[in-house]
Amino acid sequence: NAGVTQTPKFRVLKTGQSMTLLCAQDMNHEYMYWYRQDPGMGLRLIHYSVGEGTTAKGEVPDGYNVSRLKKQNFLLGLESAAPSQTSVYFCASGGQGNNEQFFGPGTRLTVL
Amino acid sequence: SQQGEEDPQALSIQEGENATMNCSYKTSINNLQWYRQNSGRGLVHLILIRSNEREKHSGRLRVTLDTSKKSSSLLITASRAADTASYFCATEDKQGAQKLVFGQGTRLTINP
Repeated sequence: NAGVTQTPKFRVLKTGQSMTLLCAQDMNHEYMYWYRQDPGMGLRLIHYSVGEGTTAKGEVPDGYNVSRLKKQNFLLGLESAAPSQTSVYFCASGGQGNNEQFFGPGTRLTVL
Repeated sequence: SQQGEEDPQALSIQEGENATMNCSYKTSINNLQWYRQNSGRGLVHLILIRSNEREKHSGRLRVTLDTSKKSSSLLITASRAADTASYFCATEDKQGAQKLVFGQGTRLTINP
């Protein structure tokens, strides 16, 4: 099993550009999450999903959109990137009733 | 805002010594989890302690939870160079979806 995978691993954007980060999990987990991690800080929840076709806002949702059209995939979109969105983005998944979260390797995004 | 605060922010010890990290949080929780992050990588789940538990062991890890003080500690015994990493506590609140709120982390360095 690959677990949780994220693409791309690295990306550089110019201010105002858009992009989509893809997260995929092969563990049949109901729950999926997108976090961002900034230097010297823990992870902050951007958006999450409790099942296919559902999404909800986390702690820092502004400037991001998400979609969960298939159970195994969770997409994070930036419509108009800003330098404040420079960060490392982590996707995670979790099984209902199993509280542990499984994390992907991260995407390092730089917005110039 | 971050749920928890961890201290120390950084800890450097000699191989073979024990390492203790502390975490404080603010609201009622279902459980508290500890994760490890090696430099530039995703987080890996270490141990979970439920709100009705006071102590839990897993190999060289010992976690305590004091819900009256809203605090937890992680003890790593007989440290090894491979334990060098950042350690994060994360609390799952009672609002559902198994969402986690992370502390800022403790950077642990084991010197050979």
